[in-house]
Amino acid sequence: QKEVEQNSGPLSVPEGAIASLNCTYSDRGSQSFFWYRQYSGKSPELIMFIYSNGDKEDGRFTAQLNKASQYVSLLIRDSQPSDSATYLCAVNIPFTYYGGSQGNLIFGKGTKLSVKP
Amino acid sequence: EPEVTQTPSHQVTQMGQEVILRCVPISNHLYFYWYRQILGQKVEFLVSFYNNEISEKSEIFDDQFSVERPDGSNFTLKIRSTKLEDSAMYFCASRAAGTSIYNEQFFGPGTRLTVL
Repeated sequence: QKEVEQNSGPLSVPEGAIASLNCTYSDRGSQSFFWYRQYSGKSPELIMFIYSNGDKEDGRFTAQLNKASQYVSLLIRDSQPSDSATYLCAVNIPFTYYGGSQGNLIFGKGTKLSVKP
Repeated sequence: EPEVTQTPSHQVTQMGQEVILRCVPISNHLYFYWYRQILGQKVEFLVSFYNNEISEKSEIFDDQFSVERPDGSNFTLKIRSTKLEDSAMYFCASRAAGTSIYNEQFFGPGTRLTVL
């Protein structure tokens, strides 16, 4: 069973602080990793994706990937109250495992982030 | 900016009735997906669709479910005989062409299905 694990939170940080969200995955063959933001009652919104070990920065967001540890994280710098949402980690099931799969995403349960003004 | 659209936003139905959920993927995308999210739970994959056929389906996607691309723009999910446990948010997603490693899927706003 391929699993993606996240701490459900809530994670509470003060405005302007760095929020750190973590995710682990079970399938060592996973190739790409995605962070989605989901506001209550809304659909997942893609924030970032990462394929290679190391860091990837986009504005206030930094994704970090460590394939050896099967660990991916998302850092949000200068957190704003509008960042308050549930952050979903998603892992791409590799093409070869399903012999023609077009790649479905396996999601974690999400971490609820609350940024206090 | 192009986006995935879904209709209706909310569907209420009686148990045993058929429902059709509709999606219009982003116009140049070739791969289409349905996911569902039961309230308070994780987003779960249902089915992927490419080149007018199902590529993959999960164990959730049993004989009561079907998908169709009836024309060049719409992508539908049909549930033949709804059960109470089908109550969930159903999301359509699409992605552009290319290897599935770069699997950037964009989600529609969802249809909330309530089965009474």
